[in-house]
Amino acid sequence: TQLLEQSPQFLSIQEGENLTVYCNSSSVFSSLQWYRQEPGEGPVLLVTVVTGGEVKKLKRLTFQFGDARKDSSLHITAAQPGDTGLYLCAVHDYKLSFGAGTTVTVRA
Amino acid sequence: NAGVTQTPKFQVLKTGQSMTLQCAQDMNHEYMSWYRQDPGMGLRLIHYSVGAGITDQGEVPNGYNVSRSTTEDFPLRLLSAAPSQTSVYFCASIQGEAFFGQGTRLTVV
Repeated sequence: TQLLEQSPQFLSIQEGENLTVYCNSSSVFSSLQWYRQEPGEGPVLLVTVVTGGEVKKLKRLTFQFGDARKDSSLHITAAQPGDTGLYLCAVHDYKLSFGAGTTVTVRA
Repeated sequence: NAGVTQTPKFQVLKTGQSMTLQCAQDMNHEYMSWYRQDPGMGLRLIHYSVGAGITDQGEVPNGYNVSRSTTEDFPLRLLSAAPSQTSVYFCASIQGEAFFGQGTRLTVV
């Protein structure tokens, strides 16, 4: 059983559409991170959320940390082909653990 | 500023061979980790280190050894390669956020 469950596993949408990916757990975390990984590269940090209920925006990306600090979501508005990649959530207690990821494909 | 340097980028091994994946960071981070990435399984932690001389196992440590003699270097050793170890391996240096190397694509035949 994974510490972090991500859904959906795959998402394919047309350019201009919106999408949401989810990261859920039964555990409470002090903070949660989102990374994006492009083919052939290592993951790169997008954001860290630390407060229950927190909403952070990064251009067209909106990140939310659940009130109970057990879950998080990533919403992309008007997706572009450059948003294509693997989106991973991660938590750091005494080791950094990742979810299985959501592969997002944005078709032009 | 190099960040995290991981070598080699590609490697093919025969079953039973041993090899060492190299990882070096120049950011003076205490915390480093090795992950393997397989389709649909995200990044699974193999071993990690919280400082020179200190290492610990992650979720999938069997078949791998690590050592941390300096802050900069954290090599991963495959003792006797098996086809199940075919994967993409990432080294990360962590301080707040994780900084990853470019990855090593390993194939064991």
